[in-house]
Amino acid sequence: EVRLVESGGGLVEPGGSLRLSCSASGFTVNNQWLHWVRRAPGKGLEWVSRINDNGDFTSYADSVKGRFTISRDNAKSTLYLQMNSLRVEDTAVYFCARGSALFDNWGQGTVVTVSS
Amino acid sequence: EIVLTQSPGRMSLSPGERATLSCRASQSVSSSYLAWYQQEHGRSPRLLLYGAVSRAPGIPDRFRGSWSGTDFTLTITRVEPEDSAVYHCQYYGSSPLYSFGQGTKLEIK
Repeated sequence: EVRLVESGGGLVEPGGSLRLSCSASGFTVNNQWLHWVRRAPGKGLEWVSRINDNGDFTSYADSVKGRFTISRDNAKSTLYLQMNSLRVEDTAVYFCARGSALFDNWGQGTVVTVSS
Repeated sequence: EIVLTQSPGRMSLSPGERATLSCRASQSVSSSYLAWYQQEHGRSPRLLLYGAVSRAPGIPDRFRGSWSGTDFTLTITRVEPEDSAVYHCQYYGSSPLYSFGQGTKLEIK
C-alpha cells in the first residue's frame, strides 16, 4: 500500500521558517517524482513545488520561488520542504503527492499557520 | 497562462440525482493532461479521472468524464451520500506547470 505521511507543520510568525517532511513507503521511492501541493482556507488547491526521481531537478510556483526549497533523501524515503521568509498567505494545509503530470497518491496533509 | 474556471461553485443534490460539474480552460489544452480529484471534508484529495475520461483504479463507473473544446465535464450519474466533497480539476502544462480550478463543492441532501 502506498503511504505518504507529512509532518513538521505548526504555528510560525511572519518571516519565520519551517521544514516539512514527507515519509514515503509502499512503492519504489527513487523511481517517482514527488510534489508539494497546498490548500489555503477557503481556496482551491495550489501546486507548490516538484522534484525529480534522483533529486537533481526542481521546479517552484512563482508564489514561493526564492523562499522555499524542495529536497529528498531517497535512502530515507523522505521528501522535504524548507520554507523560509514565511508570509501570512502561506497559511495552508500542505500535502505531499506522487506523480508526474498528475498526482495519483496524496498524504493526509500537515497544517502550516503563519500568524503573529 | 492557462486558467481553469470551475462551475458551479457549489451545488446541492438529492441521492440518485445527476451531478454535472464544469471545468473551463482559458485556452486550448490537451485532454491528455486534464485530471479530476475528489476531496472529502478533512481528507486528502483522491484522483478520480485522468486524461479527461479515464477512471483511476477503484473509482466507480458512475463517475464519468467528457470534454468539448476547452470545456471539460465531470458527471456523477446517480449521486450517493458519500459523494459529498469538493471536486477539483487540474491541468499539466507549461505556464503554469500545474494549474487547478477553484473547486466545486457538492452537497448531498
